[in-house]
Amino acid sequence: AQSVAQPEDQVNVAEGNPLTVKCTYSVSGNPYLFWYVQYPNRGLQFLLKYITGDNLVKGSYGFEAEFNKSQTSFHLKKPSALVSDSALYFCAVRSLSGSARQLTFGSGTQLTVLP
Amino acid sequence: ETGVTQTPRHLVMGMTNKKSLKCEQHLGHNAMYWYKQSAKKPLELMFVYNFKEQTENNSVPSRFSPECPNSSHLFLHLHTLQPEDSALYLCASSPLGGLQGGQETQYFGPGTRLLVL
Repeated sequence: AQSVAQPEDQVNVAEGNPLTVKCTYSVSGNPYLFWYVQYPNRGLQFLLKYITGDNLVKGSYGFEAEFNKSQTSFHLKKPSALVSDSALYFCAVRSLSGSARQLTFGSGTQLTVLP
Repeated sequence: ETGVTQTPRHLVMGMTNKKSLKCEQHLGHNAMYWYKQSAKKPLELMFVYNFKEQTENNSVPSRFSPECPNSSHLFLHLHTLQPEDSALYLCASSPLGGLQGGQETQYFGPGTRLLVL
């Protein structure tokens, strides 16, 4: 079975500071990893994904994520946080091993950027 | 906007009511999904349709009945719901439904906020 853990329910960071939202995963076989963001009263918006190749993936709105196979992690990062980045962030994983072809989501991390 | 629309955006219903949620995608995708999002919980995949055929049903109670008349439209028919069914119901679409390659990105609609009284 595949699973995703987002160990922090809430992350607070000051505007202008770097931010990190953590994600670890468990799959059999190669993982495909995704980050989505959800603003209040909205659906999920795709930010970035890791499929293969360079471990550092760049996505929308200045976000990036680093795939670390040995630590089974895919943390989301941004060098300088904006107040408008405040939202709920979801990590998701998919593996093509066995029958687990669908996305499995984490429980989400609420990011609050303080002015 | 992502190209996936959902109506209504908000719905309040009694436990004896029958209602339907509608999803439409304008992306030319062939797979559509229903998810349930409850507070503090991961998204729960409910149903998957590929080329109008249901390919996954994650042990969803029969009071939820999906319908996919074509690749662009997806419905979720609701009847005799329980208060614990109150949640945000999200529709998503993707090009091929994960059947070919794990690289596919799913695109989500804004959701329907459902309250069951």
